[in-house]
Amino acid sequence: NAGVTQTPKFRILKIGQSMTLQCTQDMNHNYMYWYRQDPGMGLKLIYYSVGAGITDKGEVPNGYNVSRSTTEDFPLRLELAAPSQTSVYFCASRAGNNQPQHFGDGTRLSIL
Amino acid sequence: DQQVKQNSPSLSVQEGRISILNCDYTNSMFDYFLWYKKYPAEGPTFLISISSIKDKNEDGRFTVFLNKSAKHLSLHIVPSQPGDSAVYFCAASHVYNQGGKLIFGQGTELSVKP
Repeated sequence: NAGVTQTPKFRILKIGQSMTLQCTQDMNHNYMYWYRQDPGMGLKLIYYSVGAGITDKGEVPNGYNVSRSTTEDFPLRLELAAPSQTSVYFCASRAGNNQPQHFGDGTRLSIL
Repeated sequence: DQQVKQNSPSLSVQEGRISILNCDYTNSMFDYFLWYKKYPAEGPTFLISISSIKDKNEDGRFTVFLNKSAKHLSLHIVPSQPGDSAVYFCAASHVYNQGGKLIFGQGTELSVKP
């Protein structure tokens, strides 16, 4: 069972570069989320989606964009990478209310 | 504003004994609570959850207790095994808040010694 798949696993970017973190799920979940985890901290929500075509900002959306053209895919875009965006990024999905979120294995991103 | 707090960064227990991980929250609107386990270089793995209408939920060796008046939840692992060594995160959500986003604590690193 694939679950939530994130690519790439690791990436190093230079300041000002852009990239897209990919996330796909095969569980037909409507809800999808992007979190970031900084060292010694819990995860913080960047963006979320309640279904295809619907996205909204979370707690820390600045510097990121998302799209949700299909139920399966929820890519996260960094347009102008900054050192403050060095973090581990996790994508998650869930089926519905009072259902747990299921996470991918993360993308470790370093911006130098 | 730390709405979910895990005040113990680490915990060490002997194999076979009970592990008790604690979590406090401040927002009385939270209605769903979860525990996740995380190994290095992997994503969080869902362990167990509890709805705010309950005060206890069990799943095998794992039991979660919820004390709403104290805004406190705990995870009991009995008996503890070396494979339980990981970082444990508690998380809380409110169904009407940002798509049911999870608010995470900082994590507690559990070490189970043989």
